[in-house]
Amino acid sequence: GDSVTQMEGPVTLSEEAFLTINCTYTATGYPSLFWYVQYPGEGLQLLLKATKADDKGSNKGFEATYRKETTSFHLEKGSVQVSDSAVYFCALSPATNTGNQFYFGTGTSLTVIP
Amino acid sequence: DTAVSQTPKYLVTQMGNDKSIKCEQNLGHDTMYWYKQDSKKFLKIMFSYNNKELIINETVPNRFSPKSPDKAHLNLHINSLELGDSAVYFCASSQEKKSNTGELFFGEGSRLTVL
Repeated sequence: GDSVTQMEGPVTLSEEAFLTINCTYTATGYPSLFWYVQYPGEGLQLLLKATKADDKGSNKGFEATYRKETTSFHLEKGSVQVSDSAVYFCALSPATNTGNQFYFGTGTSLTVIP
Repeated sequence: DTAVSQTPKYLVTQMGNDKSIKCEQNLGHDTMYWYKQDSKKFLKIMFSYNNKELIINETVPNRFSPKSPDKAHLNLHINSLELGDSAVYFCASSQEKKSNTGELFFGEGSRLTVL
């Protein structure tokens, strides 16, 4: 079945460091791919998404490119800030989503230190 | 105006009690969900309703019973609470579409602590 695998955390970076959080997926056809962010004490919110191969989603300085050939959707940011400290979830919506199902990765906790 | 709101935000109760969590969305979405997030932040789908009809019913104890009085509301009732039920429960909604490009909108979560 469809699934998402993302790198385990926690990840600790210094401010202005480069961030990569790896995400790979298993799915038939062309799923839609998402990154969600969960700030402390809050619910998840959409960070960015890509709905077809080679699309690049971007928001708040974060980017991720939908790579069909490597079944990946890695999250990147060139210069992280303390305010980026959060848990990041990669997610997938199957190509044939008659049940509105979403599959989430296990989450990667990011801490950015000044 | 909060898009997906759930109450209460915090709930502390004794083992064996029965409790409910309520959820409302004002986005006009057709589909609503309950997710459970454990202490390691792992998210697990519990239920999904589309226009008041149960669509997804994952393997959860039958002590958990969802109820959708209308498509804007999805409540979760839990009977005979156990220690292992302690978690954060998230309500979410999405718009059903023929395509798969729609996103989930989450509430702020309800932290349940069973003593």
